[in-house]
Amino acid sequence: EAQVTQNPRYLITVTGKKLTVTCSQNMNHEYMSWYRQDPGLGLRQIYYSMNVEVTDKGDVPEGYKVSRKEKRNFPLILESPSPNQTSLYFCASSSLTGQARWGYTFGSGTRLTVV
Amino acid sequence: DAKTTQPTSMDCAEGRAANLPCNHSTISGNEYVYWYRQIHSQGPQYIIHGLKNNETNEMASLIITEDRKSSTLILPHATLRDTAVYYCIVGGATNKLIFGTGTLLAVQP
Repeated sequence: EAQVTQNPRYLITVTGKKLTVTCSQNMNHEYMSWYRQDPGLGLRQIYYSMNVEVTDKGDVPEGYKVSRKEKRNFPLILESPSPNQTSLYFCASSSLTGQARWGYTFGSGTRLTVV
Repeated sequence: DAKTTQPTSMDCAEGRAANLPCNHSTISGNEYVYWYRQIHSQGPQYIIHGLKNNETNEMASLIITEDRKSSTLILPHATLRDTAVYYCIVGGATNKLIFGTGTLLAVQP
């Protein structure tokens, strides 16, 4: 089944403790992206990647890092999480060519709480 | 900057057509109109997209005005499972899409 898999689904952590949220897709998509979703603010893009070793900042990149060493994986790293990073996070992927490029496939989300 | 304007919420009776409007008066010639929906904190789901012609697929129809400044997503026979937040997005074919806050469609029994 074509899908984007995020782990973990839920995470509670303490301020300053480094964490990584993993994202993996099995569709050979070139494009991957991370969003965060907060009440009243909709989905905001954190980082995106057009292909392996190519990443770029989205609209709210502060406090986050990403890497794209393999095509299928796009982990989101919080080096020193703070309470204002408490949010619902989504990973998405898309092809850059052909008909498949018209729709993002989203993961099921990771609900992160930083205390 | 928001590129689309949608009503915050709408109601629709089950079995009736749901017509969700979207204004995008600053759309440029090479930008597409995309629609996604999100059911209760699940990952958003792609519905349909169009450039200037009307489009239809198994989920919905997309009607784009001739001047391309507005569009309407039509769910022909809404069911309770169509209750969701619907996002209208304008963007190029470069995969960078900016989501707004969308329209909460509540389908009533």
